[in-house]
Amino acid sequence: GAGVSQSPSNKVTEKGKDVELRCDPISGHTALYWYRQSLGQGLEFLIYFQGNSAPDKSGLPSDRFSAERTGGSVSTLTIQRTQQEDSAVYLCASSSGQGRETQYFGPGTRLLVL
Amino acid sequence: EDQVTQSPEALRLQEGESSSLNCSYTVSGLRGLFWYRQDPGKGPEFLFTLYSAGEEKEKERLKATLTKKESFLHITAPKPEDSATYLCAVNPTGGYQKVTFGTGTKLQVIP
Repeated sequence: GAGVSQSPSNKVTEKGKDVELRCDPISGHTALYWYRQSLGQGLEFLIYFQGNSAPDKSGLPSDRFSAERTGGSVSTLTIQRTQQEDSAVYLCASSSGQGRETQYFGPGTRLLVL
Repeated sequence: EDQVTQSPEALRLQEGESSSLNCSYTVSGLRGLFWYRQDPGKGPEFLFTLYSAGEEKEKERLKATLTKKESFLHITAPKPEDSATYLCAVNPTGGYQKVTFGTGTKLQVIP
């Protein structure tokens, strides 16, 4: 595709519900990243996928957060038992995976937990 | 621990009034420094990558420079459409591309 796409663009959910956020990276990009951006805060790294290697999950804030990447392309970020503090913009980025290269971002999913 | 500090947090300029945004960083080794522009409600848009001290890159009214401790984003004769938040990020050497972002400078250009 022409760029990174994310869905849904907006998600409103009730506290305690599970949510799934989807990311379609740029075609051919092997590296994929998830970030969280809270109001007035910088981008917080969540998880990184590179090809078939084990993902770096060091940024996931709790065990309620998980992510998978199927077939080396599409990724899904799942938040279980959502809390109000999970409200944020979740951004996905991809890069070619060749080293020193730029990350290209999707438009984000705005999550609001009531 | 890698750190990125951007200043000022917010900047208000008159149209045509040139200025600079600062990004100070602390890393054990620098693989690359990135500048992004982020408009409200959108994802960051890539502007520049700088790899070594002394490097400069330009795009329209923007010029990015890099030293061993900081990077500047110079904005020459800004226009209202340059209003956005500008983010700086560093990718350290060693390992993969785990990038650390600053909190950004929110620029407002007044007509």
